[in-house]
Amino acid sequence: AQSVTQLDSHVSVSEGTPVLLRCNYSSSYSPSLFWYVQHPNKGLQLLLKYTSAATLVKGINGFEAEFKKSETSFHLTKPSAHMSDAAEYFCVVTYSNYQLIWGAGTKLIIKP
Amino acid sequence: EAGVAQSPRYKIIEKRQSVAFWCNPISGHATLYWYQQILGQGPKLLIQFQNNGVVDDSQLPKDRFSAERLKGVDSTLKIQPAKLEDSAVYLCASRAGLGSTGELFFGEGSRLTVL
Repeated sequence: AQSVTQLDSHVSVSEGTPVLLRCNYSSSYSPSLFWYVQHPNKGLQLLLKYTSAATLVKGINGFEAEFKKSETSFHLTKPSAHMSDAAEYFCVVTYSNYQLIWGAGTKLIIKP
Repeated sequence: EAGVAQSPRYKIIEKRQSVAFWCNPISGHATLYWYQQILGQGPKLLIQFQNNGVVDDSQLPKDRFSAERLKGVDSTLKIQPAKLEDSAVYLCASRAGLGSTGELFFGEGSRLTVL
């Protein structure tokens, strides 16, 4: 069965340091991949998406992700964390069928 | 363009009562999803519609939950009777079409508290 694994349930970084949130997907078929962010008591917002164009995808708020087919990974990064980045992040994969597969989420904690 | 509209934003009911949530997707979006998100967890798919047909309702507790999208536009999710464990945020999302690989657009959600 297809699956998405977010390798860390919690990531804690200091403000101003780099952020890395890891996501691996199970299938080598051509997927579309998304990162969504959810701030406390807010709805889900699209950060960025990969749909078979450039492998390095830039999103909002300085985030970017690199699609690596050989590693079946789509890790989310940001060079310098800001307090406003504290939120939960979800990696989502979809294939040519209708199914959307969600990761369990990674809670990003920013230390002052 | 207008986003996904949901109402009500908040609802408090007692167990065994009923509740209904409404969703109006982005205009022209054929695919509509209802998700349940319990505090501290990721979204769980309840039901997916393509136009007015059900594509996936395998995780919908059909003894108490029902959903419809009669004209293939807006949708209603009903819970009857509610249980304590139904306390959650109910998220509606839409997408351009069944074969689309585009993103989901989410509403603000409807927060249900069952006492």
